Amino acid sequence: QKEVEQDPGPLSVPEGAIVSLNCTYSNSAFQYFMWYRQYSRKGPELLMYTYSSGNKEDGRFTAQVDKSSKYISLFIRDSQPSDSATYLCAMSVTGANSKLTFGKGITLSVRP
Amino acid sequence: EAGVTQFPSHSVIEKGQTVTLRCDPISGHDNLYWYRRVMGKEIKFLLHFVKESKQDESGMPNNRFLAERTGGTYSTLKVQPAELEDSGVYFCASSPRLLAVLTDTQYFGPGTRLTVL
Repeated sequence: QKEVEQDPGPLSVPEGAIVSLNCTYSNSAFQYFMWYRQYSRKGPELLMYTYSSGNKEDGRFTAQVDKSSKYISLFIRDSQPSDSATYLCAMSVTGANSKLTFGKGITLSVRP
Repeated sequence: EAGVTQFPSHSVIEKGQTVTLRCDPISGHDNLYWYRRVMGKEIKFLLHFVKESKQDESGMPNNRFLAERTGGTYSTLKVQPAELEDSGVYFCASSPRLLAVLTDTQYFGPGTRLTVL
């Protein structure tokens, strides 16, 4: 069983839609949860960072962590064509300065 | 401020040859990481330097891979001899020694695409 599972997609939505991206994990020691966005031919860039359980909101983006279910989500409201990218969840046991374990990533396309 | 840079952007070599990838972290970042993404798989951790010391090399696949960070600045990842399964995108990332805020994390370079024929 992989440590982190992410729906492979791809996902295509119309502009303005609400997007829900999810990851599940098996290692209960994960404490730090991140969402990265990666554009074509670029490296991943941090989008959202959450410690332990709870919600975090930043503009149109909301990250949720449910440690009891080992489930994390990223919601994108009012999606824009510029949101078209690959989204990767990543997790760490000891913090952002240590080994990150990634999901496979899901490619999102937002149609104008 | 310049980001993480990697060289070359793309390398095509024959099986059995040697390749050296280079990473220049963000200036002042003590932490440097190497990751690899094989086609169709997730990005996987290879190793972590703190300055010139290897903090965690648990992800290095075998002894054909040698990572160095002399002087605690740039890092090189050498693959010798290269095998077909080494093909993939190699990412380097860096982060500051101390994270001042919870939102700070690893900053990734654009990657080196390695193709072994």
